[in-house]
Amino acid sequence: DSGVTQTPKHLITATGQRVTLRCSPRSGDLSVYWYQQSLDQGLQFLIQYYNGEERAKGNILERFSAQQFPDLHSELNLSSLELGDSALYFCASSPGGSGPGNTIYFGEGSWLTVV
Amino acid sequence: GENVEQHPSTLSVQEGDSAVIKCTYSDSASNYFPWYKQELGKRPQLIIDIRSNVGEKKDQRIAVTLNKTAKHFSLHITETQPEDSAVYFCAASNDYKLSFGAGTTVTVRA
Repeated sequence: DSGVTQTPKHLITATGQRVTLRCSPRSGDLSVYWYQQSLDQGLQFLIQYYNGEERAKGNILERFSAQQFPDLHSELNLSSLELGDSALYFCASSPGGSGPGNTIYFGEGSWLTVV
Repeated sequence: GENVEQHPSTLSVQEGDSAVIKCTYSDSASNYFPWYKQELGKRPQLIIDIRSNVGEKKDQRIAVTLNKTAKHFSLHITETQPEDSAVYFCAASNDYKLSFGAGTTVTVRA
């Protein structure tokens, strides 16, 4: 158990819908990261938050948004869903940034299936 | 931004042999290079990491080497075992963003 909690574990929804994925970081970690992993694909960095503020942005679609709340949990909102959005979405956390001494631990992921 | 290239994409080795995975990065500001192992349907797990001021690090059967001048780093697994079969990801970080390579699927043949 990495200490990073993600809900829901599995989600099936229809095209055009909107879903929210939730993440609770490890106790004491200030940074939260979101990654997308499609079938047979690598880990695509979406976005990073540090202590409530956006710190780095990757290839995140405009239909997707995220935020980190004062209690440090984070939510990833996916809207106008398309079939191609079906993927495993990972949340990860670290104490500070992503450099030395800030090991990033991953949650178990949220499986999203768009039908 | 950072671009991490990883080779090979697949690797099949005989049990007991060694496996080597190589990665290159583009951002000279990258200072931290972790390696993650991911089993099917599970979360990536950190197996070893190296900082930019270190050239080599070893942990039992796993070792990483870093060549900052050439901007490449490698993972070496010796005496491979069936449980080493998984997808391995290299990554590079510049303190703000951790970028991953595309992954290497390692299969250890019994």
